[in-house]
Amino acid sequence: DSGVTQTPKHLITATGQRVTLRCSPRSGDLSVYWYQQSLDQGLQFLIQYYNGEERAKGNILERFSAQQFPDLHSELNLSSLELGDSALYFCASTRGGDRINYGYTFGSGTRLTVV
Amino acid sequence: EDKVVQSPLSLVVHEGDTVTLNCSYEVTNFRSLLWYKQEKKAPTFLFMLTSSGIEKKSGRLSSILDKKELFSILNITATQTGDSAVYLCAVERTGNQFYFGTGTSLTVIP
Repeated sequence: DSGVTQTPKHLITATGQRVTLRCSPRSGDLSVYWYQQSLDQGLQFLIQYYNGEERAKGNILERFSAQQFPDLHSELNLSSLELGDSALYFCASTRGGDRINYGYTFGSGTRLTVV
Repeated sequence: EDKVVQSPLSLVVHEGDTVTLNCSYEVTNFRSLLWYKQEKKAPTFLFMLTSSGIEKKSGRLSSILDKKELFSILNITATQTGDSAVYLCAVERTGNQFYFGTGTSLTVIP
């Protein structure tokens, strides 16, 4: 157990629907990063939050949004889902100062299947 | 365009062999390079490199970064079947943006 918790583990939903993925970072970590891993595109950085504020944006579609709450858990909202959104969505957290030794800790991911 | 390229894409070796995985990058405002091992699910952190020429070592794994030539290598000596995984290289640029390579799939056969 890495200490980063993601729920749900698997999600199957129909096109056009909206889903919410949840991530609880490791205790003490203020930063949360979201990644999408699909077979054809590898691991793609989506967005980062630090202590409740958006810090960086990667290849995140406008149909996707995220937020980080005061208790530091984060949610990734995916709307108007398309077949191509099927992927493994990872959350990672870091405690900042000791990144060089511990890097970014990943959760076990949420497998989203859009049918 | 920022990019990270890993080679080879796939590698099959026998137990005991030594392997070298390559990661080259073209990323502006480089901050760090990270190596991860991904088995079934979540990538697990191996190394973070920020300075050229300083080898990082953990057991049979070692890695080094060359910021002039824009590449890094990950060495695994005396490979074991448990080393079978996809090895991911990621480059972080300032602004906390990350670019991942597509990974090198390593299979170690007994």
